[in-house]
Amino acid sequence: GQQLNQSPQSMFIQEGEDVSMNCTSSSIFNTWLWYKQDPGEGPVLLIALYKAGELTSNGRLTAQFGITRKDSFLNISASIPSDVGIYFCAGQVMNTGFQKLVFGTGTRLLVSP
Amino acid sequence: NAGVMQNPRHLVRRRGQEARLRCSPMKGHSHVYWYRQLPEEGLKFMVYLQKENIIDESGMPKERFSAEFPKEGPSILRIQQVVRGDSAAYFCASSPQAGGEQYFGPGTRLTVT
Repeated sequence: GQQLNQSPQSMFIQEGEDVSMNCTSSSIFNTWLWYKQDPGEGPVLLIALYKAGELTSNGRLTAQFGITRKDSFLNISASIPSDVGIYFCAGQVMNTGFQKLVFGTGTRLLVSP
Repeated sequence: NAGVMQNPRHLVRRRGQEARLRCSPMKGHSHVYWYRQLPEEGLKFMVYLQKENIIDESGMPKERFSAEFPKEGPSILRIQQVVRGDSAAYFCASSPQAGGEQYFGPGTRLTVT
């Protein structure tokens, strides 16, 4: 089945540092999404990308949809303690009756004040 | 605007019992998706439903698991004769149209003893 490889698996950084994480796939996706999950909660949508090459920002977050449609990255600038959590990428294929999201394995982010 | 609601948030069942998980989508959303998450892993797609129809159940085990989304009321994920391996967090997501951004509920954490 489809798999998304997400890296790094975990990061431990100082407050104020920038963070970069990425997601790669052996398959093509039409949509890439990035979610953040806090302990005991559901994933919260951060950024959605719909076109190859698209670069989208949401506050301190920036994400890009790779040209090959097989990868995406997420950058967080000037990290703060509340950025702590697990970040998941998810790819979506747009076929009739086929709407599921395929999730990456997650990047656990820890931020030291 | 209320988000996706799931209940119960925590459910404990003994082996062999039935588990019923409920999901009320966001207002105006008629597409519902169920995902399962094991500890330290990403979410895995189970089933995609529209009102009164199952569109894609390719991720749902053939035995003991069923899902419905009736014309009135919440979507239900039903697990019969639960086993220890069913212990996981079950998340529901909804979207306003096919292929739209999926918004997740807080999840139901099922523990089978």
